[in-house]
Amino acid sequence: EPEVTQTPSHQVTQMGQEVILRCVPISNHLYFYWYRQILGQKVEFLVSFYNNEISEKSEIFDDQFSVERPDGSNFTLKIRSTKLEDSAMYFCASSDRPGRTYEQYFGPGTRLTVT
Amino acid sequence: GDSVTQMEGPVTLSEEAFLTINCTYTATGYPSLFWYVQYPGEGLQLLLKATKADDKGSNKGFEATYRKETTSFHLEKGSVQVSDSAVYFCALKPPPSTTDSWGKLQFGAGTQVVVTP
Repeated sequence: EPEVTQTPSHQVTQMGQEVILRCVPISNHLYFYWYRQILGQKVEFLVSFYNNEISEKSEIFDDQFSVERPDGSNFTLKIRSTKLEDSAMYFCASSDRPGRTYEQYFGPGTRLTVT
Repeated sequence: GDSVTQMEGPVTLSEEAFLTINCTYTATGYPSLFWYVQYPGEGLQLLLKATKADDKGSNKGFEATYRKETTSFHLEKGSVQVSDSAVYFCALKPPPSTTDSWGKLQFGAGTQVVVTP
């Protein structure tokens, strides 16, 4: 069964460093998402991406964040200068359609620890 | 804005016990409602969904009914197994609007369920 994969599973970085989290969505999907979950808090939407551009972003997704689909398979989330409060589990998801009734398929997550 | 509230965990129960996880939501219009499950070390998996009022979603012995009048989508299972130990997330997807038709999910905080033999 096709699945979304994410690498690395755990990333430790120092405050102020840049990190890139990688995702490989399901191959025929066209809509991509990043969510994050700070420990003990809700899973929060960060950004959606379609046709090589951001289609929607939350207020969390400020100028420190960027997303890219550098080739036909990867979807990346970059944090330019990490802060302590960026420590969280980051989930990538993909969908073949964005509509209300369609499922998003999630990856296993990358745990980011900023020290 | 739209939000989802679910009961706090952990919920600890014995094998074959009845499980209920409460979920209520706040949204305008008719959102779609979902339950996702996260097993240890794995990603979020869709467990079931309901897209309109009075719909019942079901899968793997779990059920949830979309109740518009009480804005609820409680998850139930009649007889849990140790393998049901996981974190369960209630989520909603708003109806399309002029500003949001890209399908972002709004999640609850998650409820950890621990089933003991």
